[in-house]
Amino acid sequence: DVKVTQSSRYLVKRTGEKVFLECVQDMDHENMFWYRQDPGLGLRLIYFSYDVKMKEKGDIPEGYSVSREKKERFSLILESASTNQTSMYLCASSFRGSGGSPLHFGNGTRLTVT
Amino acid sequence: RKEVEQDPGPFNVPEGATVAFNCTYSNSASQSFFWYRQDCRKEPKLLMSVYSSGNEDGRFTAQLNRASQYISLLIRDSKLSDSATYLCVVNMFTGNQFYFGTGTSLTVIP
Repeated sequence: DVKVTQSSRYLVKRTGEKVFLECVQDMDHENMFWYRQDPGLGLRLIYFSYDVKMKEKGDIPEGYSVSREKKERFSLILESASTNQTSMYLCASSFRGSGGSPLHFGNGTRLTVT
Repeated sequence: RKEVEQDPGPFNVPEGATVAFNCTYSNSASQSFFWYRQDCRKEPKLLMSVYSSGNEDGRFTAQLNRASQYISLLIRDSKLSDSATYLCVVNMFTGNQFYFGTGTSLTVIP
């Protein structure tokens, strides 16, 4: 079974703090993704990576950066947390290729910025 | 126009009922299709992939209609434990782009 592990289930941070969200997958997937999910807005892609040290902006990258130094690990960084970044953050991974490989999600990090 | 559209519901059905959800997609180049289940405040979990010829997994049947660009999910003999939000997910040719519906809420009533 694919396992995608996010380091924290719940986080509470203050405005202006730098926040690190970590994600590790154990299935040798090339692709890794960070999404946020908000009521009424569904899942929105922040960043994705298709290989080590490679990254691509998603739909809402502003205020975020990412790091992929090892294949199994993909980190999301909030440079200076703001209240509008309060959300559920979901990491996911998949095999790269011509399609057919589903996304596997971590169990999510519920971030509250006060 | 959104890439993937779903009726948000809610669908409230009695135990034992059959319920069907549809999901339409706008890009004919879409290649792979999936249904996910998401429980309240949890992550989405893969329910089933959708194959061109249609596929079944127990009480769940998924269908793909490429001509009309929609996929469907049929749940037979609904159980209380089926109550959840069902997300339709479509993958583009490159394999890197996934598009999500906003989800359909199902509540199965005793």
